[in-house]
Amino acid sequence: DIVMTQSPLSLPVTPGEPASISCRSSQSLLYTNGYYYLNWYLQKPGQSPQLLIYLDSNRASGVPDRFSGSGSGTDFTLKISRVEAEDVGVYFCMQAQDTPHTFGQGTKLEIK
Amino acid sequence: EVQLVESGGGLVQPGGSLTLSCAASGFSFGNYWMHWVRQVPGKGLVWISRISSDGSYTTYADSVKGRFTISRDNAKNALYLQMNSLRDEDTSVYYCARALTGYFDHWGQGTLVTVSS
Repeated sequence: DIVMTQSPLSLPVTPGEPASISCRSSQSLLYTNGYYYLNWYLQKPGQSPQLLIYLDSNRASGVPDRFSGSGSGTDFTLKISRVEAEDVGVYFCMQAQDTPHTFGQGTKLEIK
Repeated sequence: EVQLVESGGGLVQPGGSLTLSCAASGFSFGNYWMHWVRQVPGKGLVWISRISSDGSYTTYADSVKGRFTISRDNAKNALYLQMNSLRDEDTSVYYCARALTGYFDHWGQGTLVTVSS
């Protein structure tokens, strides 16, 4: 199974400041079609996960442009340029390059 | 609007069975692969199964293989998860999710399954 490792696991951030979450996979997430099958989800308190970034760097519909994804191979990063109060929750990376699809442990973002 | 609504969760004894349903609306259900993912409340997400758009191909996590069966009825826009021989460690919130190539774009709100005597 592909192991997904996120860091940090806890992320206190002052509103207006940037934030960054790292996700590393135990093997390359490059699919045969040239895309990296690495996705980012946010689970807000009491809600189901919602898609933020798909295929490494594509923002989902309705996601603010302060969110961005980047990376290649086995190293990926989610960046928030200026954190807002509504961004609190747990951020998960997920690989869909192979089954079983696997998730990172989650990064809990909280507002200072 | 895409909607996925899970149902069928509840309290079941160890060794018991339960069938979860996921009602889909707002899209052409029969054109999409579907998945089940579970989550112990407050913990991480665990993928457990997927099914092809026509239902002919299924895949399972090792932890549920031989005990759980995923199926679908495209005429009813419904996804199912038949769970047998339930264990304490199957206690989780179960989500259905719609898949596009390489990612899940919509998730249901989840249904809680509690396995306990």
